[in-house]
Formats: sequence, C-alpha cells, structure tokens
Amino acid sequence: DTVLTQSPALAVSPGERVSISCRASEGVNSYMHWYQQKPGQQPKLLIYKASNLASGVPARFSGSGSGTDFTLTIDPVEADDTATYFCQQSWNDPPTFGGGTKLELK
Amino acid sequence: QVQLKESGPGLVQPSQTLSLTCTVSGFSLTSYNVHWVRQPPGKGLEWMGRMRYNGDTSYNSALKSRLSISRDTSKNQVFLKMNSLQTDDTGTYYCTRDQRLGPFDYWGQGVMVTVSS
Repeated sequence: DTVLTQSPALAVSPGERVSISCRASEGVNSYMHWYQQKPGQQPKLLIYKASNLASGVPARFSGSGSGTDFTLTIDPVEADDTATYFCQQSWNDPPTFGGGTKLELK
Repeated sequence: QVQLKESGPGLVQPSQTLSLTCTVSGFSLTSYNVHWVRQPPGKGLEWMGRMRYNGDTSYNSALKSRLSISRDTSKNQVFLKMNSLQTDDTGTYYCTRDQRLGPFDYWGQGVMVTVSS
C-alpha cells in the first residue's frame, strides 16, 4: 500500500502562512487530495487532484505538488483553521490517508 | 442535495458482528462508488472497503477476512458487516463517495461504535 507521511503537528500565529507537507512512498501522479477535520466533525474536502480548490473553500487554501511530494498552504491562517489536515491518494489501490497534521494557533 | 447517513448500534460486544447501513440521497449508487472509512478515537483515518458503482467490492487486506460490503440499490443503501469485533475496532465509522480516481467529496456525519462488554 502507498504510505503517506505527514508531520504530526504545527503551531502558527493568525495572519501567517503555513505549509503542510505530505510525502508518498511511491508516485501518485497528481491524485492527491486534502481534507480538513475539526473535532467531532466528518472530514471536509479542501483540495482535489493536488491543486484544485473544492467548492466553497476559501482561496486562502491552495495545494501544489506531483509525484511523491505535495503541499497544502494556508495564507493567511485564521483562527477558524484550527483543525487536523489529512492527505489522501487515489492513484494507487487501495486508497490511503496520511496520519494527519494537527494545526494549532498560537 | 447529496447526503450520506450512517446508522447502526452504538455498542457492540466483543466477538460479535457489527452491522452498519449507509443511506444515500441526491445521487445514484450505480453512478458513484461508496466507501467505508473508520477512525479510532484521537487517531487517523483508515480505509475499510468500497462498493463500486457496478456492484464490485474491494476490501482493506487487513480486514478482508472479517468484512463484507453489500448494497440494495432500490433502497439507496450500502451495508457493512464486520465480524469478530475487538476493542480496537472502537471508533467512528463513516461512509463517503467518489468516482474513479476522484476524491471523497461528500461524507456522512459518522456513527460512533464502541466495542465493550
């Protein structure tokens, strides 16, 4: 299975820019997607196919990357962005998720 | 609008079988795949398996011996059955949908399942 590796946690101040990385153990083309999950809620799609903003998602969120290295960027970060962010690949079967990056605001 | 909703028992005894239902609306089960994803408390997301639009199924190899996914297209429902439950099967179980190589664009609210005697 394709293993996706994320850093476990980040802390930033409101107004700053933050980049969350996801590294795949093998190539996933551009089929990397990003989700935001707040406590007690289901995951919400933010970015699909590496760089496409999902419907209704603020333009503060953006994605980049291809192959094995991908980045989710939030600029500027707002207080409401406190959440855990997961990457997920759909190129290789089975689909797999990263372990999640918990974003905290200072 | 697109909706998925999980239902099932909140408490299951060890060694027993879990049965969950995902009821969908706003789209056709013959056009989209429906997946089951679970999340232990405070941990990450684990893909469990899927019902494809054409009726085929695929399972996580770690769960394959215990897991079965089926559907009733006339009722817009997808079913999960998993046997021999243990305490580490405790968590929130979600159903979600995608199309080929696509992201999981809609998710159910999830159902919390506790395995305990």
